[in-house]
Amino acid sequence: GNSVTQMEGPVTLSEEAFLTINCTYTATGYPSLFWYVQYPGEGLQLLLKATKADDKGSNKGFEATYRKETTSFHLEKGSVQVSDSAVYFCALSGLSNTGKLIFGQGTTLQVKP
Amino acid sequence: GAGVSQSPSNKVTEKGKDVELRCDPISGHTALYWYRQSLGQGLEFLIYFQGNSAPDKSGLPSDRFSAERTGGSVSTLTIQRTQQEDSAVYLCASSFETGSGNTIYFGEGSWLTVV
Repeated sequence: GNSVTQMEGPVTLSEEAFLTINCTYTATGYPSLFWYVQYPGEGLQLLLKATKADDKGSNKGFEATYRKETTSFHLEKGSVQVSDSAVYFCALSGLSNTGKLIFGQGTTLQVKP
Repeated sequence: GAGVSQSPSNKVTEKGKDVELRCDPISGHTALYWYRQSLGQGLEFLIYFQGNSAPDKSGLPSDRFSAERTGGSVSTLTIQRTQQEDSAVYLCASSFETGSGNTIYFGEGSWLTVV
């Protein structure tokens, strides 16, 4: 079936460190790919997305490239801040006419000053 | 309102009681989704509405769970005879359409604790 696998957390980094959160997917078709973020005490919000192979999504210094050959959508940021501490969810959609999202398990990021 | 609104934000109920959770989607959004977020289970899809009909109910975990949507707007998720394993955050989300790459907007959730 269709699924998303993320690297397990928690990920703990010092401020200004480089961040990578791995995400791979299994899908029967060509999904759209998303990263959602959940800050402490807040709801899920879209961070970035990509709708076709080789597209790069970017927002707030975060980037992810849709790699069809490796079925991956890894999230990266060159220099993290304490305010980036949150739970990050990779997700896919577009495999049915419902548009529903299938999520990975989430990765907790903690950035220390 | 500007975003997806859910109520109550927190609910503590006794095992065996029924609960209703309400969702008010973004105005004009025809698609509405319910998800459940619990420790160890991640984010689980429950049900999808297009307008007032629910063509995908595949995620509802048992017949104790039901949902309806009226007027193409507000939705209610009902859990009958609650069990402790129903304790979770119930998230509602909406989107303008369901095409590929469409953005889905989430509410802040209703935190349900069954004691």
